[in-house]
Amino acid sequence: AQTVTQSQPEMSVQEAETVTLSCTYDTSESNYYLFWYKQPPSRQMILVIRQEAYKQQNATENRFSVNFQKAAKSFSLKISDSQLGDTAMYFCAFMRSTGGFKTIFGAGTRLFVKA
Amino acid sequence: DSGVTQTPKHLITATGQRVTLRCSPRSGDLSVYWYQQSLDQGLQFLIQYYNGEERAKGNILERFSAQQFPDLHSELNLSSLELGDSALYFCASSVDPTSRANEQYFGPGTRLTVT
Repeated sequence: AQTVTQSQPEMSVQEAETVTLSCTYDTSESNYYLFWYKQPPSRQMILVIRQEAYKQQNATENRFSVNFQKAAKSFSLKISDSQLGDTAMYFCAFMRSTGGFKTIFGAGTRLFVKA
Repeated sequence: DSGVTQTPKHLITATGQRVTLRCSPRSGDLSVYWYQQSLDQGLQFLIQYYNGEERAKGNILERFSAQQFPDLHSELNLSSLELGDSALYFCASSVDPTSRANEQYFGPGTRLTVT
């Protein structure tokens, strides 16, 4: 069974600085999708960035980028130039690409951006 | 606004009761997913439907059931409610699970409180 582990329950960063959130996963699948979702205090789930396992190039979305290490089964999120609005829970998620699309979420990392 | 709607926003009911949560996916999306988020925890995948058919199942209790109707809206039925069922229930939708990246767009959630 697939598992997703986020080892940092809580992190903080100064505004304008860079922070990296960690995520590791376990799977025997060769093709799958990985996602980072943001959940601000409003509790809305917002997709931040996605990565397809067959792509070696790391995904980037504006200030958000990932470091995808397939062999190590690691998928970290880097937030550059942190903003107060980045304060939220961040969830790493794994989705298999065959046999049904069950999505497994990590426990989350609570990020505080300090002024 | 993700385009996914969920009703009701809040629901308060007593133990032993039955409730129905409703989800309307984004226009054009064929797949619907249901998740449960208990207090300060990650999301637990419950079930996925694609074009009216069940495609993937998570740790959904036997007291819970879901269906997707011909107009693609979905309902999650929770019966014999227990205090531990109190949670935020999310619905998400995507275009086609086999499409590239399969991004899921989340609704605002239904907060269920069982007293």
